[in-house]
Amino acid sequence: GAVVSQHPSRVICKSGTSVKIECRSLDFQATTMFWYRQFPKQSLMLMATSNEGSKATYEQGVEKDKFLINHASLTLSTLTVTSAHPEDSSFYICSPAGGGTNTEAFFGQGTRLTVV
Amino acid sequence: AQSVTQPDIHITVSEGASLELRCNYSYGATPYLFWYVQSPGQGLQLLLKYFSGDTLVQGIKGFEAEFKRSQSSFNLRKPSVHWSDAAEYFCAVGSSGGYNKLIFGAGTRLAVHP
Repeated sequence: GAVVSQHPSRVICKSGTSVKIECRSLDFQATTMFWYRQFPKQSLMLMATSNEGSKATYEQGVEKDKFLINHASLTLSTLTVTSAHPEDSSFYICSPAGGGTNTEAFFGQGTRLTVV
Repeated sequence: AQSVTQPDIHITVSEGASLELRCNYSYGATPYLFWYVQSPGQGLQLLLKYFSGDTLVQGIKGFEAEFKRSQSSFNLRKPSVHWSDAAEYFCAVGSSGGYNKLIFGAGTRLAVHP
């Protein structure tokens, strides 16, 4: 399967600060990036979809100004949680997608964000 | 709208016992269906997938799942559970007929007693 690197795996930040999460697809070109989040004891919910070089599309209820997504290259996408609050504490997972013959989704290892 | 339902939030089985995790989906056409496993604090690992063809699919770690169109189900099974199978299991359907953008069920947490 594809190799996806997500960093950091864990981060603790103070309320009001911003946190950047990186997602790299190491062995294929990610023309699309899906960002999911998972609240404790809940399922994964899609937050946004980005295409390389374009603005991201956000799911209903997700604040685009709070969750900034940059997808400037085919191997790197970043999610920045701005002015984080405790309710943003969650597990964030990226899933890059590209062309080729892949017939499954690949996921990063996830980032556990705790806002204190 | 597409959706996935996993009716069982928690399941506890004894080691060596058989296992069946239920999954029902709502989708108009033939769906792309997946089962993922997530260990605590970890990412997702694909167990198996169904796109078309044989409705009984084999996956990794001894898991299998059966697609039943008439019941809109894709239940996951394992004949003999190992303690290392304790984890969270997610059923997912490919949104809009694709396999990248997924809709996940709520998950089933499996506990295994020795």
